[in-house]
Amino acid sequence: ETGVTQSPTHLIKTRGQQVTLRCSSQSGHNTVSWYQQALGQGPQFIFQYYREEENGRGNFPPRFSGLQFPNYSSELNVNALELDDSALYLCASSPGTARTGEQYFGPGTRLTVT
Amino acid sequence: AQSVTQLGSHVSVSEGALVLLRCNYSSSVPPYLFWYVQYPNQGLQLLLKYTTGATLVKGINGFEAEFKKSETSFHLTKPSAHMSDAAEYFCAVSDLGAAGNKLTFGGGTRVLVKP
Repeated sequence: ETGVTQSPTHLIKTRGQQVTLRCSSQSGHNTVSWYQQALGQGPQFIFQYYREEENGRGNFPPRFSGLQFPNYSSELNVNALELDDSALYLCASSPGTARTGEQYFGPGTRLTVT
Repeated sequence: AQSVTQLGSHVSVSEGALVLLRCNYSSSVPPYLFWYVQYPNQGLQLLLKYTTGATLVKGINGFEAEFKKSETSFHLTKPSAHMSDAAEYFCAVSDLGAAGNKLTFGGGTRVLVKP
């Protein structure tokens, strides 16, 4: 069984640029969530996708957007990058039938904005 | 809104000693609670979860946690620390509301194991 994978592993961007991060969900999982983990902090919920539709959003501005594809993989797009966007971005997947909320995380993408 | 507080951002224990990590939560509905571990430069790995039923739950790597509703706590313990337990630990509560299924995390506790 393949776990959650994310690409790229590391990324360096300049303030004002745009970035796209990618995630492949665990086999059999149709729900993908994205989290931002700033240095020294716990992960913060960005949004969730279920069957290609956004299914909940945290307190992040509209320049954070996403997509989910028919194979349940997902992208996180961030426009107009700011220095504070530097963080570890975590993708997590879960089966749609999970009524207890556990999610399974990928290794993350480390984004540095200079 | 749900929230999680982890007491102590850093904990230092000797190898073989008890590990105790504290977590208190706030939730307006019966909570689903989780502990995750994060090793350096890695994602989060699920250690254990509480959903319903038995309040003492056992997880991987010898960890266990006890749900105490009256104290709104879900503390994590391991009787005997191993060097490989050095990592950061996160307590989380699940919100299964209509607006998606999100996890709300505490700030984390970094565990250092001394030989």
